[in-house]
Amino acid sequence: DAGITQSPRHKVTETGTPVTLRCHQTENHRYMYWYRQDPGHGLRLIHYSYGVKDTDKGEVSDGYSVSRSKTEDFLLTLESATSSQTSVYFCAISVGTEANYGYTFGSGTRLTVV
Amino acid sequence: DQQVKQNSPSLSVQEGRISILNCDYTNSMFDYFLWYKKYPAEGPTFLISISSIKDKNEDGRFTVFLNKSAKHLSLHIVPSQPGDSAVYFCAASAVGGTSYGKLTFGQGTILTVHP
Repeated sequence: DAGITQSPRHKVTETGTPVTLRCHQTENHRYMYWYRQDPGHGLRLIHYSYGVKDTDKGEVSDGYSVSRSKTEDFLLTLESATSSQTSVYFCAISVGTEANYGYTFGSGTRLTVV
Repeated sequence: DQQVKQNSPSLSVQEGRISILNCDYTNSMFDYFLWYKKYPAEGPTFLISISSIKDKNEDGRFTVFLNKSAKHLSLHIVPSQPGDSAVYFCAASAVGGTSYGKLTFGQGTILTVHP
């Protein structure tokens, strides 16, 4: 187990409220990612991080911000939640070896915006 | 613009038979490809990968084939088992370029293996 946890696992929030999702890893990996999963779209990259205070936008970053003040924590904030942000959010860390450039994913956060 | 496409939303197969999941990509910079498996209420888990310098990679019942000229890859599962029932995502990365580490995923294919 790669030691990656997401919190909360489920959340219901009202339109217009800010929401923060947390991703925590215990293995000191440099690269971390936030994806959202939606039917018909698969997994789409929201934001990613190459290290502490080093972040960049993915393909669906509008309405989201991230912060990484410590190696182990990568926070995703919905600044003012909208119904279109109802989704399942996954955090991932890159195992980043020449043998496998793949990710290890967290268990996900199911967010419902009402 | 969907750079990685899985055109079959679902696939149904009998236990013991072969499952073939397909994936197409458009970005010629992609040089590393992966398959992930996802069960309900869990995160995706890595299944198998292939580098663009190869055309086949095998791991037990799972084999991935890559056709670079057609920009197409496929995952073969032989023999299929009921426990293989899950959503399968194809993913691609341009490892050698500036987008190192970022994976682009397809839409997913729901595989159902009937006993």
